Amino acid sequence: QVQLQESGPGLVKPSETLSLTCTVSGDSVNSGSFYWSWVRQPPGKGLEWIGYIYYGGNTNYNPSLKSRVTISVDTSKNQFSLKLSSVTAADTAVYYCARDYADTQMNWFDPWGQGTLVTVSS
Amino acid sequence: SSELTQDPAVSVALGQTVRITCQGDNLRSYYASWYQQKPGQAPVLVIYFKNNRPSGIPDRFSGSSSGNTASLTITGAQAEDEADYYCSSRDNSGNHLRVFGGGTKLTVL
Repeated sequence: QVQLQESGPGLVKPSETLSLTCTVSGDSVNSGSFYWSWVRQPPGKGLEWIGYIYYGGNTNYNPSLKSRVTISVDTSKNQFSLKLSSVTAADTAVYYCARDYADTQMNWFDPWGQGTLVTVSS
Repeated sequence: SSELTQDPAVSVALGQTVRITCQGDNLRSYYASWYQQKPGQAPVLVIYFKNNRPSGIPDRFSGSSSGNTASLTITGAQAEDEADYYCSSRDNSGNHLRVFGGGTKLTVL
């Protein structure tokens, strides 16, 4: 059974960098069969895809966040991480990590981590 | 990037059938996936690739697609189906992006 678990600070000051880690069990982040994505959800709002990392460290980001986002992987720990720089209150959200399957016809996210709330406030 | 449009809210009487739709030009090229999210919980995949259900998802959930519209149908809605539902798909730009619809709040009356 594949499980994902987010971890990181729940409070970040404005203008600083948000850093989260997703620990994967039951699958390998380096298998090449899946992408590994971050998704966020501001309080009371919908889901927003942030970006993914793929086998070999290849990344792809939402254009609206691309200038501030870095996703990296640590294969020795079977983890992937998110960094979001220059945060503002608008970045306050529940952040989810998810395994992401995609081919030429589709994509889907399964499973998801439980999510972690990150609040941006001084 | 492409956009996926969902009705903000839909209601259904207990035991009746409801269809939740998702519209977007990229759905002419890519299949949608559907997610159920209950308050305080992470989203759960309920439908992927045409009409496939992950293990544990009841068979009252089904998916379909026509033109630029994908649909999630719940046949015989139960009280526990009350939740937010999101569609997702690949972006149409060729840049392999992912996109979500705005979500539909389903109320079971």
